[in-house]
Order: sequence, then structure tokens, then C-alpha cells
Amino acid sequence: GAGVSQSPSNKVTEKGKDVELRCDPISGHTALYWYRQRLGQGLEFLIYFQGNSAPDKSGLPSDRFSAERTGESVSTLTIQRTQQEDSAVYLCASSFRDGGNSPLHFGNGTRLTVT
Amino acid sequence: QKEVEQNSGPLSVPEGAIASLNCTYSDRVSQSFFWYRQYSGKSPELIMSIYSNGDKEDGRFTAQLNKASQYVSLLIRDSQPSDSATYLCAVNMRNAGNMLTFGGGTRLMVKP
Repeated sequence: GAGVSQSPSNKVTEKGKDVELRCDPISGHTALYWYRQRLGQGLEFLIYFQGNSAPDKSGLPSDRFSAERTGESVSTLTIQRTQQEDSAVYLCASSFRDGGNSPLHFGNGTRLTVT
Repeated sequence: QKEVEQNSGPLSVPEGAIASLNCTYSDRVSQSFFWYRQYSGKSPELIMSIYSNGDKEDGRFTAQLNKASQYVSLLIRDSQPSDSATYLCAVNMRNAGNMLTFGGGTRLMVKP
């Protein structure tokens, strides 16, 4: 695969439902980040994986948010009991090695709308 | 103080002018610096990386790094309306587990 792949590209859900967002990083990229971007706002860091461990979960806004990663590949971001303020674009990015010295490559994002 | 700071703008420049975008960071030992461009409704895309003090040129773009002053900038020469976007500065934060940290971005508007 050429780039970071995210699915679904769009998700509309009712308030209170759970949603699962998926990210397939570029093959060989060990670092993986999740961000949230509300309309007209900057990137909001959520979580960072190095391999399948998460050294930094500090950005997860509440215990309704969780993320996991299988090995050095797919990651899923789960939002339980969605609220309207969860509506945003969720971006995934990956990089080679430690992520600090290598640039991030972003996916096209998942646009989540909570009605 | 935010770890990576940018003026949110908008920065408005006429077509053909030089646009100068600035970024300051707090981690004195940061080694890697990146500039991303984000068009409205799109994902950020990497346009420049810089690791050493001084200037790095790529086409109409020049990145400038001054580690002593903890300052990195992006110059866009001969600005075009198609350069209108938000520009994000990203810095690896050695004092934060080597994570890449983004500034809030500067919105650039190039007027024909």
C-alpha cells in the first residue's frame, strides 16, 4: 500500500452509540499517532504508539476513548457512548522508527458526525 | 508556554510576494523540524524537513533553523493563490519521549 489508510472515510452515528475507527499505517512504520481536528481548529493529539505500546495516552479526552494497536500494523480508535462534541475529523499518521526524527505521513481521516 | 508556538494569522500577502511563517519551540535539545501544509478539508502534507542550523531550500520554499534561538521559519517566495492554506510547524520533543509535537498552525492567504 502506498500511504496511510483510514476507514471509514465518513461515519454518521447517533448519540450514545459506540464507533470504531481504523488505521492501516504505511508498512514498516513503527510509530503511529491519532489526532482529532474539529472544524476550523488545529490538530489535537490523542495518542501515540511505538510498536504496539502506547508511551503517551495523555491526549485521550475521556475514558470513553480508547485505542489499541496490533503489532506494528493496524490500529483502532474506539469511542464509546458518543456525544455531539465528538464530531470531528480523526486523523491517523505514521512514521518510520521513533517518530521523532522521521516525518509523519497522514491518512485522509475519518469524518465523524454524531447526531 | 506552549511547546510549539505559531501565530494563528491570518497572514495576508499579495501574489508574488514573500510569505514568512514563524515557529518557536520550548525544547532546547530538539533535533528535527518539519513544515506541513494543510488545505481546507484535507490532511496535512509534508513540505519541508530541516535538521541543521541554517537554510534549506526546495524550489520556492526555504526553511530556516536557529537552534540557539529555538526558532524555525518557512519562507515562500513568489507566493501564489494556490499557496493559501494553513502551515503547521512540527518539532520532535526529546524531553517528551521523542514525540513529534505540532504548533497550532498559521493560516496564509495569498491575494491575487
